[in-house]
Amino acid sequence: NAGVTQTPKFQVLKTGQSMTLQCAQDMNHEYMSWYRQDPGMGLRLIHYSVGAGITDQGEVPNGYNVSRSTTEDFPLRLLSAAPSQTSVYFCASRGTANNSPLHFGNGTRLTVT
Amino acid sequence: AQSVTQLGSHVSVSEGALVLLRCNYSSSVPPYLFWYVQYPNQGLQLLLKYTSAATLVKGINGFEAEFKKSETSFHLTKPSAHMRDAAEYFCAVSGDNAGNMLTFGGGTRLMVKP
Repeated sequence: NAGVTQTPKFQVLKTGQSMTLQCAQDMNHEYMSWYRQDPGMGLRLIHYSVGAGITDQGEVPNGYNVSRSTTEDFPLRLLSAAPSQTSVYFCASRGTANNSPLHFGNGTRLTVT
Repeated sequence: AQSVTQLGSHVSVSEGALVLLRCNYSSSVPPYLFWYVQYPNQGLQLLLKYTSAATLVKGINGFEAEFKKSETSFHLTKPSAHMRDAAEYFCAVSGDNAGNMLTFGGGTRLMVKP
């Protein structure tokens, strides 16, 4: 039972480069989301999706794009990387019930130089 | 809008001592509350959740939390700390925003001294 799988685990980018962080889940969850984790700030919501074909912005969406073409996959795209995007990124999924907990991937540590 | 405040970014206890990690929330609707634990270089794991069935919630690894509506609090406790409890702990709330996404507190790093 894989749960939520994120790739890559580590990535170094130069300012201005673009890349896609991959996320896949095998629990048939409708809700998926991307968070970034920075010291002292907890986790902040970047984008989320409540189902295939539906995405919306979270608290810190600037500089990121998402799409949800299937229930399983929810990639996060950095359009033009900036040093401020150096962070640890977590993908998470959950069921549709209000009390459903989030299931997290193991994270992607991104450094932008 | 919902929000979470965790008092104390770092908490240090001796092995065998009581663990108390504080969490206060703000929500305009009855909240769903969660505690997560993060060990180094790992994702977050669910410790416990409050979903209105009972105010005292028991979780994994001997942790429990009590929901107090009058105090808007959901503090996490454990009677006796173990070295393996050293980790970062996050409190989260959902129920009061679009898509029922979770809002997290800033986290509390628990250190356990031998």
